[in-house]
Order: sequence, then C-alpha cells, then structure tokens
Amino acid sequence: DAGVIQSPRHEVTEMGQEVTLRCKPISGHDYLFWYRQTMMRGLELLIYFNNNVPIDDSGMPEDRFSAKMPNASFSTLKIQPSEPRDSAVYFCASTLGGNQPQHFGDGTRLSIL
Amino acid sequence: SQQGEEDPQALSIQEGENATMNCSYKTSINNLQWYRQNSGRGLVHLILIRSNEREKHSGRLRVTLDTSKKSSSLLITASRAADTASYFCATDANGNNRLAFGKGNQVVVIP
Repeated sequence: DAGVIQSPRHEVTEMGQEVTLRCKPISGHDYLFWYRQTMMRGLELLIYFNNNVPIDDSGMPEDRFSAKMPNASFSTLKIQPSEPRDSAVYFCASTLGGNQPQHFGDGTRLSIL
Repeated sequence: SQQGEEDPQALSIQEGENATMNCSYKTSINNLQWYRQNSGRGLVHLILIRSNEREKHSGRLRVTLDTSKKSSSLLITASRAADTASYFCATDANGNNRLAFGKGNQVVVIP
C-alpha cells in the first residue's frame, strides 16, 4: 500500500522564483495537511483540507503561500515569490480522520538562495 | 494555540537501557499522539492515547497520560540502535484531527 507521496524530494531555487510542492495522499483518506519544519520553529501546521475543502489556513505565513486540492488524490503548495526565509522541509500528511493517526510523506527539502 | 513540549530535549543512552521522554501541554485535549522521525524522513505514528485513558502499551513502548497535570510520558524499554530518532508528542484538542506538535526529543542509542 503506497504511502503519502511528495515531490520533489529536494528543490533548490533562487529567491523570487515560484515554487510548487506536490502531494498525493493515501487513497481514501479524507484529510490532508501541509506542515513546515525548521530547527527554530519546529513543525508548524500551514493548512489542512477535509474532503478537498480548506478548513484552516491560519498557519499560512503570508499571501505568498497558497494551497489547493483540486481532487481527492492531489494537492499543491505554492510559494510565489519565494524568499530565503522560506527554506525548510515541507511535509504533507493524510489521515482517515476520527482519531486515526496521520501518515506523513518524506517531505520536500526546499532551499531558497 | 496549544502545543506539546517534550522534556528532555536530547537523550543519549546505551543499547538495552530504557529511555523516557515527557511532554506537557497547556489546554484540555481529546487525544495525545507520539511520533518518531528518523533523519531525512517523515514522521511515523507510534501510539495514540485518548483523554480518558491513563496508560497504553505497544510492543516496547509505554505511554502514560495524566490529564490533571497535562502531561504524558513515553517509555522505550530495552532500547536498540534502531530507536535512534527524534520523538514528538502531538495533541488533538478538539478531536478534529488538527495536531499541535512539540519541538521534539532527540534520542541517540549507542550500540
């Protein structure tokens, strides 16, 4: 059974460029989460979806960040324009809900130069 | 917002010893979860304990929850080198699957 799949695994780009991170959740999971992990701030929830609808985006740092979930099997997190302080590991996770655990992808390590 | 906080931050032990980590949180919870993260990988769920439970076991893992003290502990018995990882607690305040994670606990098991 495939887990949560994220792409790319690594991304290095120059500031000002648009960055798109992709996630395929586990089939049948109703919830999808985007997190950002840094040494300074730990693991932060950016946004989460239920049945493809954004429920809480209060963690999105600013308007440069946007996330979509056009269907149950795909989500994107976009940063435009990117800045060096956006450098972090971005994780996607999914869950069935109802006190079930979250399943994490292996993350995208993003470096903005 | 509510957030779990682990204590101690880093732990180094010999293989075969037990490792104990603590987590405190600030408000009431629906459940508390522990996750493990190996270097360069995503988090892996270990165990979930509900607010009406006091103790739970899974293999070599033992989790306790004290809601009066708003704290939880994770015990790993007979540690192995493969247990070397970061361990995170996470709280679900409302049962809506929205988790607040602590900063993590780095555990190194020396063979």
